[in-house]
Amino acid sequence: GAVVSQHPSRVICKSGTSVKIECRSLDFQATTMFWYRQFPKQSLMLMATSNEGSKATYEQGVEKDKFLINHASLTLSTLTVTSAHPEDSSFYICSAREPHRQETQYFGPGTRLLVL
Amino acid sequence: AQKITQTQPGMFVQEKEAVTLDCTYDTSDPSYGLFWYKQPSSGEMIFLIYQGSYDQQNATEGRYSLNFQKARKSANLVISASQLGDSAMYFCAMREGPSGTYKYIFGTGTRLKVLA
Repeated sequence: GAVVSQHPSRVICKSGTSVKIECRSLDFQATTMFWYRQFPKQSLMLMATSNEGSKATYEQGVEKDKFLINHASLTLSTLTVTSAHPEDSSFYICSAREPHRQETQYFGPGTRLLVL
Repeated sequence: AQKITQTQPGMFVQEKEAVTLDCTYDTSDPSYGLFWYKQPSSGEMIFLIYQGSYDQQNATEGRYSLNFQKARKSANLVISASQLGDSAMYFCAMREGPSGTYKYIFGTGTRLKVLA
């Protein structure tokens, strides 16, 4: 299957700093990428849908200014957690969808963020 | 209202036996897709199986099969001949929405423990 990478896999930062997470589709072009957040022992919650070349579509309750998403190319989407606080600590997972295979999505390995 | 319901927070199964993980869904869209993912402790989401709403036959992938009962809106995952490596969290998910604007909704998950 298709491969999606995420970087970094783990990050620890101080409260008030910004953290950028990259999501890359390695062997296919992804017109759409998704960003999820998962708290411990909970399910994945969709944060936003990222479409190449256009603004991201955020789910209700997700702060656009807090979680900046940029999908500048067909293989890269970035999520920036701005002015991170301890409550932003979570597992962030991206996924990507191939244009001609609408039925499924390929997940990255996730990024564990810890804000001190 | 919950769109994807997994009523079993935890399940045990003896090695080499079969196990069924329950999933019910709620949608008014005639076209939708149902997925099962496995999430080991490492956090990655591993795609297991997919069932389209118009598929006439139940999906199968190796030891995984999906018991799709459309009228009951259920999509249970059956794992045959359980192995120790099957111990993980299992998420049921649904894709809904118009083509090009798909969203994926996840259930709360079932933690499966395979006993030796």
